[in-house]
Amino acid sequence: NAGVTQTPKFRILKIGQSMTLQCTQDMNHNYMYWYRQDPGMGLKLIYYSVGAGITDKGEVPNGYNVSRSTTEDFPLRLELAAPSQTSVYFCASTPLLEAGELFFGEGSRLTVL
Amino acid sequence: AQSVAQPEDQVNVAEGNPLTVKCTYSVSGNPYLFWYVQYPNRGLQFLLKYITGDNLVKGSYGFEAEFNKSQTSFHLKKPSALVSDSALYFCAVRSRYSSASKIIFGSGTRLSIRP
Repeated sequence: NAGVTQTPKFRILKIGQSMTLQCTQDMNHNYMYWYRQDPGMGLKLIYYSVGAGITDKGEVPNGYNVSRSTTEDFPLRLELAAPSQTSVYFCASTPLLEAGELFFGEGSRLTVL
Repeated sequence: AQSVAQPEDQVNVAEGNPLTVKCTYSVSGNPYLFWYVQYPNRGLQFLLKYITGDNLVKGSYGFEAEFNKSQTSFHLKKPSALVSDSALYFCAVRSRYSSASKIIFGSGTRLSIRP
């Protein structure tokens, strides 16, 4: 099993550009999450999904959009990139709603200049 | 609202000494509590979790954590630190009684073990 796979690993964007961070998992997990990690700030939840077709906002959703058309894929869309979106983005999944531990991808480092 | 606090940005310990990384939480109802570790340029890895039952939870790599409901704490501990334990550690919480699926993380504590 590959687990949780994120692409790209690194990306540089210009202000105002858009892009999609891809996340796919091969563990048949229903629950998927997007976090961003900023130095000294820990992980902040952007969006999450409890299954195909169902998504909800986390702590810091502004400037982002998500979709969940399949169980495996949970892409994160950045529209009109801003320097404040420079961060490391992590996708995670879990098989259990209540007490399941998260399985994380390796992260995508995004720089907006 | 759920929240997690890790009051120490960094903890420094000599190899062989015991270590403690602190975590306190705030949730409605009883919590599910987790510890994760992050090595440089890697994603987070699960260490241990508290669901119910024994307040002392044992996890990977010799780590354990103690759940204290009255103090709303879930401190991570290890009896004898190794240099290889040096990493960034995160505490996370989810409310047991929340209909939402949010899992909230603390700001992280950098653990540095000196030889």
